[in-house]
Amino acid sequence: DADVTQTPRNRITKTGKRIMLECSQTKGHDRMYWYRQDPGLGLRLIYYSFDVKDINKGEISDGYSVSRQAQAKFSLSLESAIPNQTALYFCATSDLGYNEQFFGPGTRLTVL
Amino acid sequence: QKEVEQNSGPLSVPEGAIASLNCTYSDRGSQSFFWYRQYSGKSPELIMFIYSNGDKEDGRFTAQLNKASQYVSLLIRDSQPSDSATYLCAVKKVEGAQKLVFGQGTRLTINP
Repeated sequence: DADVTQTPRNRITKTGKRIMLECSQTKGHDRMYWYRQDPGLGLRLIYYSFDVKDINKGEISDGYSVSRQAQAKFSLSLESAIPNQTALYFCATSDLGYNEQFFGPGTRLTVL
Repeated sequence: QKEVEQNSGPLSVPEGAIASLNCTYSDRGSQSFFWYRQYSGKSPELIMFIYSNGDKEDGRFTAQLNKASQYVSLLIRDSQPSDSATYLCAVKKVEGAQKLVFGQGTRLTINP
């Protein structure tokens, strides 16, 4: 089984709908991250969490919210989806003092 | 100025030749530097990291770091078609919370 899983893998939704993307990990890492990837823009950090009680905004948090339900689960929500949130979303994890972030398989989100 | 900059390519290299990928960064306080490989439609995976000036070799891959000039490069020797992918440079900043800043990625194509 994959160490970092994301659900759903693909989602098409309409403008104004609420969407939740979920991430689970079995690596036992404390740190979890949500990124979005757009063509030509690389990976941009949306939110990150260093433990269950710690949530931090990244560089592009507007329009998004997160919930860290447990050490192993980190969810990203779009309260009212808009078309420019169409992107590939990645969850990642790392350990304290990390030299590597481990990425999930990604969720391709399309907002019509 | 972007914090981490890469030439988006595409970079085309004949099979067996050396592929050279470059990355510059703006924050002199950056401490660690990472190269990720991302195949089309897949998640990024770590190839190498480097934090000391000079070269670091791992098989066909060599990372080079020059902190005075604020650049990091990745050399791929004996390039293979399987090396065709997008290569992402990432920089870890120490001040504040530790997080990665990614460049936009360089698309590399190895021609048989």
